[in-house]
Amino acid sequence: SQQGEEDPQALSIQEGENATMNCSYKTSINNLQWYRQNSGRGLVHLILIRSNEREKHSGRLRVTLDTSKKSSSLLITASRAADTASYFCVNAGNNRKLIWGLGTSLAVNP
Amino acid sequence: DTAVSQTPKYLVTQMGNDKSIKCEQNLGHDTMYWYKQDSKKFLKIMFSYNNKELIINETVPNRFSPKSPDKAHLNLHINSLELGDSAVYFCASSQGEGGQPQHFGDGTRLSIL
Repeated sequence: SQQGEEDPQALSIQEGENATMNCSYKTSINNLQWYRQNSGRGLVHLILIRSNEREKHSGRLRVTLDTSKKSSSLLITASRAADTASYFCVNAGNNRKLIWGLGTSLAVNP
Repeated sequence: DTAVSQTPKYLVTQMGNDKSIKCEQNLGHDTMYWYKQDSKKFLKIMFSYNNKELIINETVPNRFSPKSPDKAHLNLHINSLELGDSAVYFCASSQGEGGQPQHFGDGTRLSIL
């Protein structure tokens, strides 16, 4: 299978807790991107990490990349109810293709 | 102002019909995409155009035909609709191809009766 895989598939936490989602991929990457999808909406780009980077921050988001393990993680700190959404990783390979994961469904309970 | 807009938002039609979905972006991007998202939220790329040239054409039935009249528009025409075509179709755009961040429309929910 060419597609990436996120785990867990579903995650339920309380407001204020941290949420960690993982993504594994199979083919080489140029960069890896994380997106959020709220119910009934399109995907929104969150953060991009290049293949030569190991960690990146954006506000409450922290992304790591381990190319030796072909994996990435997205950490959302101090979660809010508004963070409830599905989160997708996408492997931007070197062949014009974007290989999407199946997503992690995050529920943040007030 | 909506950056990537798709119309219609909902499309309910019968098997065998032909329908079109329109997409427009006002971001000045040169690359546009069509995706299909199934009920399990799996997102599969269908087509990609860069400067009106087709650059990605995944294994999609030839009943699906994209058309890009200019860089700001990418429409999707579907002939002889089948039950399995029921899904949400997303249009997206990016500046450049091959891994630039994409901006998505809010999707067209297609339901085949």
